[in-house]
Amino acid sequence: NAGVTQTPKFQVLKTGQSMTLQCAQDMNHEYMSWYRQDPGMGLRLIHYSVGAGITDQGEVPNGYNVSRSTTEDFPLRLLSAAPSQTSVYFCASSRTLGGNYGYTFGSGTRLTVV
Amino acid sequence: TQLLEQSPQFLSIQEGENLTVYCNSSSVFSSLQWYRQEPGEGPVLLVTVVTGGEVKKLKRLTFQFGDARKDSSLHITAAQTGDTGLYLCASEVGNEKLTFGTGTRLTIIP
Repeated sequence: NAGVTQTPKFQVLKTGQSMTLQCAQDMNHEYMSWYRQDPGMGLRLIHYSVGAGITDQGEVPNGYNVSRSTTEDFPLRLLSAAPSQTSVYFCASSRTLGGNYGYTFGSGTRLTVV
Repeated sequence: TQLLEQSPQFLSIQEGENLTVYCNSSSVFSSLQWYRQEPGEGPVLLVTVVTGGEVKKLKRLTFQFGDARKDSSLHITAAQTGDTGLYLCASEVGNEKLTFGTGTRLTIIP
């Protein structure tokens, strides 16, 4: 199994540009989420989904959109990139929310906004 | 939002030594997960502890969940260079989203 696959691995954007970070999982997990990781801030939840067609906001949702049209895919869209969105982004999935199931993470996308 | 405090923030020790890192909260954990993250990679789940007082062992790593389920520790015996990484604790509170601590960055010196 591939697990959680994120693309691209690295990306440089200019301020104001938009882009989509891709995330796909092949484990038939219901729960998927996006985190950003910044030095000294830990992992902060951006958006999450408990199943196809259902999404909700996390701790830091501003400037990001998500959709969940299939169980497998959970793309993250940056609408108008800002330097404050420079970060490492991780997608994670779990069998379900709650129930003490561990999360499987992708290898991350390192985004720089100049 | 439950706050998870991890200590120490940084730890650098010689290969072969023992170490303990901690994860604490003012609230009760429903369960606690420990992850290790290596540079350029995502976190990888090490263990989940659920019951107060629970002890789990993973080779040289021993995880303990406090009796009151408000704290947890990770003890590594005879540290090896392969143990180097960022250790993160995380918890779901009442089936809410997984919240992470800020981590302990461990460096094992050969």
